[in-house]
Amino acid sequence: GAVVSQHPSRVICKSGTSVKIECRSLDFQATTMFWYRQFPKKSLMLMATSNEGSKATYEQGVEKDKFLINHASLTLSTLTVTSAHPEDSSFYICSATGHIGNTEAFFGQGTRLTVV
Amino acid sequence: QQQVKQSPQSLIVQKGGISIINCAYENTAFDYFPWYQQFPGKGPALLIAIRPDVSEKKEGRFTISFNKSAKQFSLHIMDSQPGDSATYFCAARGNAGNMLTFGGGTRLMVKP
Repeated sequence: GAVVSQHPSRVICKSGTSVKIECRSLDFQATTMFWYRQFPKKSLMLMATSNEGSKATYEQGVEKDKFLINHASLTLSTLTVTSAHPEDSSFYICSATGHIGNTEAFFGQGTRLTVV
Repeated sequence: QQQVKQSPQSLIVQKGGISIINCAYENTAFDYFPWYQQFPGKGPALLIAIRPDVSEKKEGRFTISFNKSAKQFSLHIMDSQPGDSATYFCAARGNAGNMLTFGGGTRLMVKP
């Protein structure tokens, strides 16, 4: 299957700093990328959907100024957690799909963010 | 509102046994039903998927059974192995976009 690379896999940052997480589709053009947050022993919670070249669509309750998403190309989307706080500590996962309705969703390896 | 309900939350099976995980959905617009396997600290990986025009799909030890009228689908893992111990998520997607709706997950433990 297609490969989605997410980087970094783990990051520890201090409160108040910003952290950028990258999600790359390595062998296909990702027209849509999704960002999820996963709490321990819980399911994936969709944070936002981004289409290449347009603004991300955020789910209800997700602060767009806190979680900045950029999808500048068909192979790269970034999630920046701004002014991070300990409660932002979580497992963040991206996924990418190609054309609407007829392709699988491929997931990155996830990023474990710890804010101290 | 949870549109895809998954059960059980956890499951313990002996090696060689059959693991069965069930999901039910509400939205009749869903037309793609994948199952994902997730190991601790890793992203989900697609295991097997089905569309509603068939009632069953088998790939190796993994089988999806689909009941369109009941709006239910299930994953069967035959000859379960300790290496199958992971969290399994069912999901559903409509034909209007690529957004997946996930079930709550099932933590499977296969005892040797």
